Amino acid sequence: EDKVVQSPLSLVVHEGDTVTLNCSYEVTNFRSLLWYKQEKKAPTFLFMLTSSGIEKKSGRLSSILDKKELFSILNITATQTGDSAIYLCAVENGANSKLTFGKGITLSVRP
Amino acid sequence: EPEVTQTPSHQVTQMGQEVILRCVPISNHLYFYWYRQILGQKVEFLVSFYNNEISEKSEIFDDQFSVERPDGSNFTLKIRSTKLEDSAMYFCASREGRNTGELFFGEGSRLTVL
Repeated sequence: EDKVVQSPLSLVVHEGDTVTLNCSYEVTNFRSLLWYKQEKKAPTFLFMLTSSGIEKKSGRLSSILDKKELFSILNITATQTGDSAIYLCAVENGANSKLTFGKGITLSVRP
Repeated sequence: EPEVTQTPSHQVTQMGQEVILRCVPISNHLYFYWYRQILGQKVEFLVSFYNNEISEKSEIFDDQFSVERPDGSNFTLKIRSTKLEDSAMYFCASREGRNTGELFFGEGSRLTVL
């Protein structure tokens, strides 16, 4: 069974801090790893990672994948209160296109 | 920006009643999904749908659940006889191809079964 474990489960930081969110996974047939941000309702897409060692970047957010060690990290620099959300990591199984999600990391950014 | 839309945003129903949740996927997308998230728990896969038939379904997706694309734009999830444990947020998602593109989620339909 595919599995995703995220850590820490929750995190409280102050504006301006840098945070690193972790995601480790097990999957029978890896196609991709995805990061989503969930605020009130729908998860919104952040990154899709398919290759090891290639950093994806979008503004203050960046992410990288290590397919040998089976993990990914999501970095957020100079955090803002608007970054407060649940960050979901999911792994896609190439055999059936199913996404398996982790429990999510609740990030709270205090002013 | 194109988006996946879902209705209703919130539905309250009595146990044993039938519920239909509706989704309009992004127009050029071919693969459709339903996921659910019980309060405080993980987002879980229910079913994927392509070419008017189910591609994959999870153990959760038992005989009480069905999906349909009745008219070429809507994609519905029906729960025939709701149980208390069906209370959850149900997310519809779509993507362009099986192996390509990101998965776009709708805003979700919150189902409360009393």
